[in-house]
Amino acid sequence: DGGITQSPKYLFRKEGQNVTLSCEQNLNHDAMYWYRQDPGQGLRLIYYSQIVNDFQKGDIAEGYSVSREKKESFPLTVTSAQKNPTAFYLCASSPLHAGYNYGYTFGSGTRLTVV
Amino acid sequence: AQKVTQAQTEISVVEKEDVTLDCVYETRDTTYYLFWYKQPPSGELVFLIRRNSFDEQNEISGRYSWNFQKSTSSFNFTITASQVVDSAVYFCALSDSGLNAGGTSYGKLTFGQGTILTVHP
Repeated sequence: DGGITQSPKYLFRKEGQNVTLSCEQNLNHDAMYWYRQDPGQGLRLIYYSQIVNDFQKGDIAEGYSVSREKKESFPLTVTSAQKNPTAFYLCASSPLHAGYNYGYTFGSGTRLTVV
Repeated sequence: AQKVTQAQTEISVVEKEDVTLDCVYETRDTTYYLFWYKQPPSGELVFLIRRNSFDEQNEISGRYSWNFQKSTSSFNFTITASQVVDSAVYFCALSDSGLNAGGTSYGKLTFGQGTILTVHP
């Protein structure tokens, strides 16, 4: 079945440590997105990519980095510069078509906790 | 800039009650898309409906219905005869249909804060 796979489901990070969240899709979607979810704050966009080897900052990119070396993969690295990384992270993808918006398909998320 | 407001942070109802989740949006675009997503306790957001700005017809799907009113910039969601399985966080989202230089739709979604719906047996 086609879909988006995020791993791990739960992740614990020590202070000062970088961690990478995996996001893989087999939907042949062009665009991929990373969102952060905090209680009561909805979803906030971290980074997005419309094409391989290209990505743009979202609203809260500071302390995060991404890469898009393959169409199927869009990993997110939470760096030590991110001061409050504890949150639920959601990856999404969408096809891109002229003049039409299909919306997103989401992964099941990664819950990151700083210990 | 686009903005989505879901004024109801939490709603609690008893099973079989009808419940309406409000969504108000702001955009300067004449062409745009509106969405509703459901987030059950498992965490994954599930797509419920998409509506473009030129289609103001209300939609009904089983116990779910949506009322889109451009005059008030609202896209409200009603669940009829609610069930415990409807308990979830519901998000309203807005996207433009902007075309980049390559002529493809852009598609970035702006989400509301979400409404936590709890349906009690």
